[in-house]
Amino acid sequence: GAVVSQHPSWVICKSGTSVKIECRSLDFQATTMFWYRQFPKQSLMLMATSNEGSKATYEQGVEKDKFLINHASLTLSTLTVTSAHPEDSSFYICSARDPHSGRSGDTQYFGPGTRLTVL
Amino acid sequence: GDSVTQMEGPVTLSEEAFLTINCTYTATGYPSLFWYVQYPGEGLQLLLKATKADDKGSNKGFEATYRKETTSFHLEKGSVQVSDSAVYFCALSSPGANSKLTFGKGITLSVRP
Repeated sequence: GAVVSQHPSWVICKSGTSVKIECRSLDFQATTMFWYRQFPKQSLMLMATSNEGSKATYEQGVEKDKFLINHASLTLSTLTVTSAHPEDSSFYICSARDPHSGRSGDTQYFGPGTRLTVL
Repeated sequence: GDSVTQMEGPVTLSEEAFLTINCTYTATGYPSLFWYVQYPGEGLQLLLKATKADDKGSNKGFEATYRKETTSFHLEKGSVQVSDSAVYFCALSSPGANSKLTFGKGITLSVRP
């Protein structure tokens, strides 16, 4: 149980274009999803917290107009990187919180990640 | 604020060696503690967790005990395999709605045959 998928697994795009990444919880309903960014050989940096039906909460330093997050249903959140540039190239990982996973529902289950390369 | 400190890496071991990866934390209240593993090119997988003091999480031969007195959650395995080669992240989650995960820097484990 508690499977999270991401699509696409990798994407290459030209500078200036927009890219949408989908994150789905396959066998549970996730009221909260998280988006992370990971640079090579580094830890995960939380970008934003996404709650179903409301606006995302962005971490300090993350541009909300550049990284658009939509959590339209209990099983789907999307991250759109707008007007992508080479410095946006990174590994983007989402996670979903399973509210039935135990104390405070605080276990997060992670997707496999999306490798974005901006040329 | 919350923080997680992991021992510096990378770590290289021979197959069947004993593994310890240290993790200490700073948090207010009573956090939940986690170990996640990331295999090359993949996302993170939950390895084990503990939600209160003295709890022991275990999975796939790995164990970690929630030690409140030393604010630690060290990961151990009695006999590592080549397939255990991965990056290991210690993390904590403080209680509350939308509780966020705070990660350590991660440590790369390489197991040679």
